[in-house]
Amino acid sequence: QSVLTQPPSASGTPGQRVTISCSGSSSNIESNSVNWYQQLPGTAPKLLIYSNNQRPSGVPDRFSGSKSGTSASLAISGLQSEDEAEYFCAAWDDSLNGPVFGGGTKLTVL
Amino acid sequence: EVLLVESGGGLVKPGGSLRLSCAASGFSFSYAWMSWVRQAPGKGLEWVGRVKSKTDGGTIDYAAPVKGRFTISRDDSRNTLSLQMNSLKTEDTAVYYCTQDLNYGAFDPWGQGTLVTVSS
Repeated sequence: QSVLTQPPSASGTPGQRVTISCSGSSSNIESNSVNWYQQLPGTAPKLLIYSNNQRPSGVPDRFSGSKSGTSASLAISGLQSEDEAEYFCAAWDDSLNGPVFGGGTKLTVL
Repeated sequence: EVLLVESGGGLVKPGGSLRLSCAASGFSFSYAWMSWVRQAPGKGLEWVGRVKSKTDGGTIDYAAPVKGRFTISRDDSRNTLSLQMNSLKTEDTAVYYCTQDLNYGAFDPWGQGTLVTVSS
């Protein structure tokens, strides 16, 4: 059971906008920044968004992050087939004194 | 190019031990905080533990499920991170990733991972 809660699956058609939610609590998301990872099939995770809404160099601006209270969201606009992957959220947890992850959301591009 | 390469995974019996290594290159390893993150087959990501840089005190922290059984160490002269795993349990079966810890749950980059299977 993951500390952060994500929907297990999401889907969209090419060109659509898709959002993935991540729900936490006052000890993690509400008081710390949220990060998002993309894991393509058979590969290691890749940092996609850090500090709630910052993109590392090389990440397309189709990917964006936001946070409000105890929840965060990842939005992908102009969906492409290569976006088909699993997406994980993560945040520091003050109670556990360590980082915690969501269970992951498998995105299917129809 | 920043590169992290893990090695040392394999099949081990419950109660056994295994040592993982991570060779780092392309960045100032000695100044980096480093973490191990694992992923059980078909499951999500789980933080295992981290070591801060010596300039930041070299503190080592562990997740509750591995505390007392796993030991993280670093050799800055060889740009190497290690994970000594003792008293292994079946639930430790996972791909173990080495990653630079940017703090507050941000990790970048990641190695390719090494599979540890604990089974009789």
